[in-house]
This record gives sequence, structure tokens and C-alpha cells, in this order.
Amino acid sequence: AQSVTQPDIHITVSEGASLELRCNYSYGATPYLFWYVQSPGQGLQLLLKYFSGDTLVQGIKGFEAEFKRSQSSFNLRKPSVHWSDAAEYFCAVKGGSYIPTFGRGTSLIVHP
Amino acid sequence: DAGVIQSPRHEVTEMGQEVTLRCKPISGHDYLFWYRQTMMRGLELLIYFNNNVPIDDSGMPEDRFSAKMPNASFSTLKIQPSEPRDSAVYFCASSSGAAAYEQYFGPGTRLTVT
Repeated sequence: AQSVTQPDIHITVSEGASLELRCNYSYGATPYLFWYVQSPGQGLQLLLKYFSGDTLVQGIKGFEAEFKRSQSSFNLRKPSVHWSDAAEYFCAVKGGSYIPTFGRGTSLIVHP
Repeated sequence: DAGVIQSPRHEVTEMGQEVTLRCKPISGHDYLFWYRQTMMRGLELLIYFNNNVPIDDSGMPEDRFSAKMPNASFSTLKIQPSEPRDSAVYFCASSSGAAAYEQYFGPGTRLTVT
């Protein structure tokens, strides 16, 4: 079975500061991994994905994520946060099933 | 591409009424998913279809919920009768098996049952 954990319910950062959102997964082999962002009143938008190859993947809006097999993690990072990045972020994992499992989400609050 | 289209965007109805939510997936996608999002339970998968056939409806909360996909470009989620606890945001998403199953979400329908 596949599962995903986002340990942080809320994260608060100052505008311009760096960001790291944590995601840990459980699956016996290398899964497909995704990060989505949900702005208020909107649907989920795919930020980036990892299937294989280079463990550091680049996404849209200046985000990147690193797959670490030894830690079963796929943390999302951004070097400098903008106020418009305030949103809900979801990590998802897809293993052997046809559908991904989503985490509970991390709410990002950005202070000016 | 217009993306996944959902209608209506907002729905307010009284308890006991029938509610129908609609979804048009991205053209060429062969998987369609219905999710429900609430503060208490987060994002829940209700049902998904592959090539218009329901594959797993184990997430459908009760018999009051039903979903259909009569063709590749249209799906409905119906609640009859509706109850206040059905108030939530309902998302439709589609994906392509050929594209490693990354899902594309619609904007959602915010349902309020009074």
C-alpha cells in the first residue's frame, strides 16, 4: 500500500525567505511523486513531478523538489518566497495502483 | 486546452433536494476522478472511471451518492437527497494513463446544503 505524510499543517515564512515543505511517503519501490498547489477558491495545480532519473526536479513558479530514497522523502523548496505563494500545498504519491494518494496538505502563510 | 470544466461553480440547495454536479474532462484523458474536500477530512477520493467505466466507488459515502460517465467528455455526480453534511467542495480531475497519471483538476463546485 502507498501512503504519504505531510508533517506540517501550517508553515509561516516571511516574504523573501526560503521555504521547505516536508513530504514523506511509504511504498516498497520507487513511486511517482507529485506536488500540487491550491490557491484559495481554486482547484489543485501541478507544480512538479518525479518519475525517475535526476532526483532534483524543477517545477513551475520557481519551485523545486528533491527525491531522497534513503529518507523516503520528497521535500518541496523555494529559495525566495513571494506573497503570492501563500496557498495550500499537497504532496501525492502513486505506487502500484492507478491513482495517487494525497497528503493532508500544508498551509503556507507568507508575512510581508 | 480549456482544462477540466466543472459546473456549477457554486450551488446552494435545501436539505432533501437533488443536486447534480457536472464535469467535462480534458480531451484525450482516459481517467476521471471525483473528489470531495472538507476541512475535517481533507481531500477524499469518491469514485474514479477508466474509459467511462467506474473502477472504484468505495469512497462514495452512501447510496445517496451516484456518479455516471455516459461518454468520454462528460460525467455527473448526483446527490439525492442532499443533507447539510454533504456541504463541501467537489472536484473533478482527469488524467491520461499514457502520461503517468498526473491529475489535472477542475476549479471545483462549492456545495452548500442548508
